[in-house]
Amino acid sequence: EAQVTQNPRYLITVTGKKLTVTCSQNMNHEYMSWYRQDPGLGLRQIYYSMNVEVTDKGDVPEGYKVSRKEKRNFPLILESPSPNQTSLYFCASRSNTGSSEAFFGQGTRLTVV
Amino acid sequence: SQQGEEDPQALSIQEGENATMNCSYKTSINNLQWYRQNSGRGLVHLILIRSNEREKHSGRLRVTLDTSKKSSSLLITASRAADTASYFCATDRQGGKLIFGQGTELSVKP
Repeated sequence: EAQVTQNPRYLITVTGKKLTVTCSQNMNHEYMSWYRQDPGLGLRQIYYSMNVEVTDKGDVPEGYKVSRKEKRNFPLILESPSPNQTSLYFCASRSNTGSSEAFFGQGTRLTVV
Repeated sequence: SQQGEEDPQALSIQEGENATMNCSYKTSINNLQWYRQNSGRGLVHLILIRSNEREKHSGRLRVTLDTSKKSSSLLITASRAADTASYFCATDRQGGKLIFGQGTELSVKP
């Protein structure tokens, strides 16, 4: 089954404690992206990757890091989380060839206290 | 910066009625896509319309695209309570970036 898998689904952490949210896709997609969703603000892109070893900033990259060492994985790293990073996070993937739809993970609800 | 802006932000209708949501954008696009999100869940792709298309249908969904006005609309006909969700437009720009708007919350009352 084609899917994007994020882990964990829920996470409560303390300010400053480094964390990683994993994202994996099984569709051999070149493009992967991270979004955060906040009430009234819709989905805002954090980082995206067009292919292995190619990453670029989205609209709200501050406080986040990503890596794309393998095609299937695109982890989101918060080196020093702060309360304003409390949000619902989504990973998505899509093919780079032609017009294509994006597939989303189930979401990770992060709370930073 | 956000590309798509949906209108209205919230819409409440009765079952059986039609629901229309609009999306405006600012720059040129390759295609425009509509997604649905049930509360707190991941987005699910509904329909894609290319920049050289004007109208597209899929079941009870009808999408139009006016590139001269930089706008699109999503029509859901004969709505059902199960259509209650948030709907997002996403613009697909050169380079593959997919940018989402703020969404329309649709509530369909039985």
